[in-house]
Amino acid sequence: GQNIDQPTEMTATEGAIVQINCTYQTSGFNGLFWYQQHAGEAPTFLSYNVLDGLEEKGRFSSFLSRSKGYSYLLLKELQMKDSASYLCAVRDSNYQLIWGAGTKLIIKP
Amino acid sequence: ETGVTQTPRHLVMGMTNKKSLKCEQHLGHNAMYWYKQSAKKPLELMFVYNFKEQTENNSVPSRFSPECPNSSHLFLHLHTLQPEDSALYLCASSQDLEVYNEQFFGPGTRLTVL
Repeated sequence: GQNIDQPTEMTATEGAIVQINCTYQTSGFNGLFWYQQHAGEAPTFLSYNVLDGLEEKGRFSSFLSRSKGYSYLLLKELQMKDSASYLCAVRDSNYQLIWGAGTKLIIKP
Repeated sequence: ETGVTQTPRHLVMGMTNKKSLKCEQHLGHNAMYWYKQSAKKPLELMFVYNFKEQTENNSVPSRFSPECPNSSHLFLHLHTLQPEDSALYLCASSQDLEVYNEQFFGPGTRLTVL
């Protein structure tokens, strides 16, 4: 079966750095997405990786290793507004998006 | 209005009621989606429409009936639902079904079935 694994919850301190991991086992691979979802709001797109390596976008970076079935989202200089759930999703060989259950990130002052 | 809008934002219904969820996108996209989001579970894709044609039905029970009259509007008609259908129902759109296109989500309808 197809599976996306992410930690259920993480806690970090304002101003610090946090890494949210995502591992996947899917039938084929056509890219990996990260979304942010604040409580009670719509998920919003953060990043898309299809090739190995690190993609940097301001305070957020996303890394992909296709051989390891692994990605991470790195958040730097954490702010209170970064408290949200972070969703990892993989597009498989049938172009279906397979979603993880999300990681709830709690930022403490 | 901009982006993807959904109405109503909250809905409480009995098991014998019939109701409809509405989604509208103002992005000029051609693909639209319905998802179910339950607490601590992955998003479940329900239906996909591309250029008004249904391209995906992920074994969704017939008590959920989608309708896509044009590329900007998507409905989900509900009838004789079960309490386990209580969830957040998210609508999304994308430019088309190309693999690299991100999806834009609406704020969702929080559905409670009594």
